[in-house]
Amino acid sequence: DGGITQSPKYLFRKEGQNVTLSCEQNLNHDAMYWYRQDPGQGLRLIYYSQIVNDFQKGDIAEGYSVSREKKESFPLTVTSAQKNPTAFYLCASTAGPLAGELFFGEGSRLTVL
Amino acid sequence: AQSVTQLGSHVSVSEGALVLLRCNYSSSVPPYLFWYVQYPNQGLQLLLKYTSAATLVKGINGFEAEFKKSETSFHLTKPSAHMSDAAEYFCAVIGNTGGFKTIFGAGTRLFVKA
Repeated sequence: DGGITQSPKYLFRKEGQNVTLSCEQNLNHDAMYWYRQDPGQGLRLIYYSQIVNDFQKGDIAEGYSVSREKKESFPLTVTSAQKNPTAFYLCASTAGPLAGELFFGEGSRLTVL
Repeated sequence: AQSVTQLGSHVSVSEGALVLLRCNYSSSVPPYLFWYVQYPNQGLQLLLKYTSAATLVKGINGFEAEFKKSETSFHLTKPSAHMSDAAEYFCAVIGNTGGFKTIFGAGTRLFVKA
């Protein structure tokens, strides 16, 4: 079945450590997105990519980095520069900017100890 | 910039009662509007979308929404709530600037009482 796979589902990290969240899709979608979700704040866009080897900052990109070397993959690195990284992270994809709906992965919950 | 406002962070209904979740958008052009549902510790899934074909949009699980341009609203309704409807619901719009990104409301958590 086609879909988006995020891993790991749960992740714990110590302060000062970088961590990378994986996002893989087999929907043949061009555009991929990373959102951060905090209680009562909806989803906030971190980074997005509309084509391989190209990506743009979203509304809250500070302390995060991404790469898009393959169409299927869009990993997110949460760096030690992110001041408050504990959150639920969601990866999504769509066939194109105006294609309509976003398809989401199951999410990754990061907790900083 | 476009924005979405969901009225009420929490809504509680009895099983069998009408569900009404409110969403207002700001847009200078006809938008693409969506409702998504999220169950605990899961990703979001699409309930329904408005793309100007019809003002009354039917979605999955018995939900529907009506686009009212004069009120800039896109409220979500379901005639009879079921326990399985308990979840968080997000209204969203595709912005027409800066790469046509999807903009989400803050979400409304629906509680269903037995």
